[in-house]
Amino acid sequence: GENVEQHPSTLSVQEGDSAVIKCTYSDSASNYFPWYKQELGKGSQLIIDIRSNVGEKKDQRIAVTLNKTAKHFSLHITETQPEDSAVYFCAASSGTYKYIFGTGTRLKVLA
Amino acid sequence: GAVVSQHPSRVICKSGTSVKIECRSLDFQATTMFWYRQFPKQSLMLMATSNEGSKATYEQGVEKDKFLINHASLTLSTLTVTSAHPEDSSFYICSARTMDHTRPMVEQFFGPGTRLTVL
Repeated sequence: GENVEQHPSTLSVQEGDSAVIKCTYSDSASNYFPWYKQELGKGSQLIIDIRSNVGEKKDQRIAVTLNKTAKHFSLHITETQPEDSAVYFCAASSGTYKYIFGTGTRLKVLA
Repeated sequence: GAVVSQHPSRVICKSGTSVKIECRSLDFQATTMFWYRQFPKQSLMLMATSNEGSKATYEQGVEKDKFLINHASLTLSTLTVTSAHPEDSSFYICSARTMDHTRPMVEQFFGPGTRLTVL
């Protein structure tokens, strides 16, 4: 079946360093790739997304890259801050309602 | 905008009882609401999709008689876990898709989740 693999499961970085989280998807029909940040009591917030007709998208300190050939996409956070600490989920969708989520990455930014 | 709330945020119940979880879109009308379940250190798994005024569509392996979904209005969907058992203990998350046609159809807004513990 369709699945999304996400690595690493945990990631610790020093404040100010960059963090990279990678996801690989199996469904070649996937064309929409959102990233969510999950914090206790705040639910899952969409932080950035990318569509299959674009290779890269950036929003301030956050960027996402997509390699359709290899079927993987990555989240890049630069100049990390303690408030970036959270669990991050990637997802893939083929344009319908159904999201296939990755298993999550717990990011810890050490002050 | 596009805020989704869930109530309660946390519930503890005895085995055999039923628990109702509410999901509300606070500042938009939702064509479709989704219910997910998340076990510790695992991903969000879609349980069912509900459209206002019609029966929910359940994912394979999800018991529709155990997880009752009602989507009575464009801003409210409820999930009732009937005859709950300890194995139903999980984090339940809803999401909603807006009717706003200027937003991508595939975009979903997530609620904060409900932690269910069945003793």
